[in-house]
Amino acid sequence: EVQLVESGGGLVQPGGSLRLSCAASGFSFGSYSMNWVRQAPGKGLEWLSYISSSSSTIKNADSVKGRFTISRDNAKNSLYLQMNSLRAEDTAVYYCARETNRGADLDYWGQGTLVTVSS
Amino acid sequence: SYELTQPPSVSVSPGQTARITCSGDALPKKYAYWYQQKSGEAPELVIYEDNKRPSGIRERLSGSKSGTMATLTISGAQVEDEADYYCYSTDSGDNHRVFGGGTKLTVL
Repeated sequence: EVQLVESGGGLVQPGGSLRLSCAASGFSFGSYSMNWVRQAPGKGLEWLSYISSSSSTIKNADSVKGRFTISRDNAKNSLYLQMNSLRAEDTAVYYCARETNRGADLDYWGQGTLVTVSS
Repeated sequence: SYELTQPPSVSVSPGQTARITCSGDALPKKYAYWYQQKSGEAPELVIYEDNKRPSGIRERLSGSKSGTMATLTISGAQVEDEADYYCYSTDSGDNHRVFGGGTKLTVL
């Protein structure tokens, strides 16, 4: 069974940093591209970052470019999101999601981890 | 930046057909994908590559696309279809993925 489990969320002050993790199991993690998506309270989904299976290609939304960094460790079956210079508007549930090998669709999602940026 | 535009809400009576649209300039050349999100849950893929259903998705959900508009159709909508629906695609250069703003489907 494919499982994605996010961790690392919590309360952080504006300007602070946080590192999210996503533990993958039930599939060959190193064969799939991965993404981070977030959802602010009561708002819609926002795509943040993409990383290819070998980490050779990374794509970021303009809203987080220069502040957020996606990475992965295939030996540990783990995906990461390093978030720096956090702002109140970064408050959201953060999801990791697996991208299918057929295209850009995201076929498996974690349950999300909540990040709250507040003083 | 690239945008996908959806109506904020659609409302139908049980048994009626609901249509949710998604417009974007790159859609003629890029696939549209659709996600269903029920309250408090993670999104679920319901349509991929414009009109294909993943295994286990009910046949009353279907997708289509014409030019710059993709459409999710829910035939004979039921109360359990109430959810937020998001379209998803990529920009013309495949540099960014993007979600539409989401459409809240109400069946009552």
